Amino acid sequence: DIVLTQSPLSLPVTPGEPASISCKSSESLLHGNGNNYLDWYLLKPGQSPQLLIYLSSNRASGVPDRFSGSGSGTDFTLKISRVEAEDVGVYYCMQPLRTPFTFGPGTKVEIK
Amino acid sequence: EVQVVESGGGLIQPGGSLRLSCAASGFTFSNYWMHWVRQVPGKGLVWVSRINSDGTNTVYADSVKGRFTIARDNAKNTLYLQLNSLRVEDVGVYYCTRGRTRWGSYSGMDVWGPGTTVTVSS
Repeated sequence: DIVLTQSPLSLPVTPGEPASISCKSSESLLHGNGNNYLDWYLLKPGQSPQLLIYLSSNRASGVPDRFSGSGSGTDFTLKISRVEAEDVGVYYCMQPLRTPFTFGPGTKVEIK
Repeated sequence: EVQVVESGGGLIQPGGSLRLSCAASGFTFSNYWMHWVRQVPGKGLVWVSRINSDGTNTVYADSVKGRFTIARDNAKNTLYLQLNSLRVEDVGVYYCTRGRTRWGSYSGMDVWGPGTTVTVSS
């Protein structure tokens, strides 16, 4: 199975400041079609998971442009340009390249 | 409105069975592969199973293989997950979520339901 690791696992942030989360894969997530199969999801307290970024760098519909994704192969990053209070929750990377799909352990983002 | 709504969760004893349902609306259900994902209490997200658009191909996580069965009824726009031989470690919130299209286009798991809770305890 493809193993995803995230860092940091806990991220205290100051509103208005940037934040960054790393996700590393045990195998390349680059498909032959040129896409990197790595998504980012946010699980807010008491809510269902929501898609933020798909295929490494594509922002999902309705997601604020302060969220951006980058990376290729085995190394990926989610960036929040200016954190807002509503961004608290647990961020997960996930690989949909090969079953079983696997999630990273999650990064808990909280306001300082 | 594009949405999915899960139901069927509950409290069940170890070894028991449950059938979860996921009612889809607002999109052409038969055009999408569908997945079940579980939120483990106090932990993270775990992918459970997926089914292709016409129901002819299914895949399971090793932890549920042989015990869970995913199925769909495209005429009823409904996804199912039959949970047999339930174990304490199967507890969690089960989410139904939309995946790739039948033509291979992938835009993330972009539709999630509110989830249904499964509790396994004697």
